[in-house]
Amino acid sequence: DAGITQSPRYKITETGRQVTLMCHQTWSHSYMFWYRQDLGHGLRLIYYSAAADITDKGEVPDGYVVSRSKTENFPLTLESATRSQTSVYFCASSESVGAQGQPQHFGDGTRLSIL
Amino acid sequence: AQSVTQLDSQVPVFEEAPVELRCNYSSSVSVYLFWYVQYPNQGLQLLLKYLSGSTLVESINGFEAEFNKSQTSFHLRKPSVHISDTAEYFCAVSASNYQLIWGAGTKLIIKP
Repeated sequence: DAGITQSPRYKITETGRQVTLMCHQTWSHSYMFWYRQDLGHGLRLIYYSAAADITDKGEVPDGYVVSRSKTENFPLTLESATRSQTSVYFCASSESVGAQGQPQHFGDGTRLSIL
Repeated sequence: AQSVTQLDSQVPVFEEAPVELRCNYSSSVSVYLFWYVQYPNQGLQLLLKYLSGSTLVESINGFEAEFNKSQTSFHLRKPSVHISDTAEYFCAVSASNYQLIWGAGTKLIIKP
């Protein structure tokens, strides 16, 4: 099915562990984004990517790593998870043509708990 | 720098009553404006957008928003809400580097 898929939907892990959240989109959108959503903070941008092999930091990048070797995939890795990274993570994508007017399309999120 | 302010964190309203969710933005350039809706345990979905042209934009489920350049506002309204409208609503403005600047969200609570 066309769309944007995040996996896993739920993840529990321990502090210090490495965890990777996956994001896959079937639209061939150029732009992809990772957000975290926390009570009281709304949506905060972690990283974004304008195209394959082009990534840039957002508002809260510390502790996270991204890669974009293929247009359709944009994985987010927590190299050494901390409790403060417990959150709901959303991946989004958007087209590049007329980019500023293009909406972002969101996945259903990954609820990550770090014990 | 651009910013978005949603003035109410929660708006309780009775079913079938009208509602307005307020959004103000700051920007020195032309903007594109969006409203998104997030139902419980789901991702955000585009509700409506203003790019240019008519200042009043409508969604397919009865919401409308009006772009007011002089007041730098993009308030969301619905004349009669339904229990199914219970959700969190986010206002966003486009940034020059293709990112969106997000408001903090407004939870719409429908009282039976």
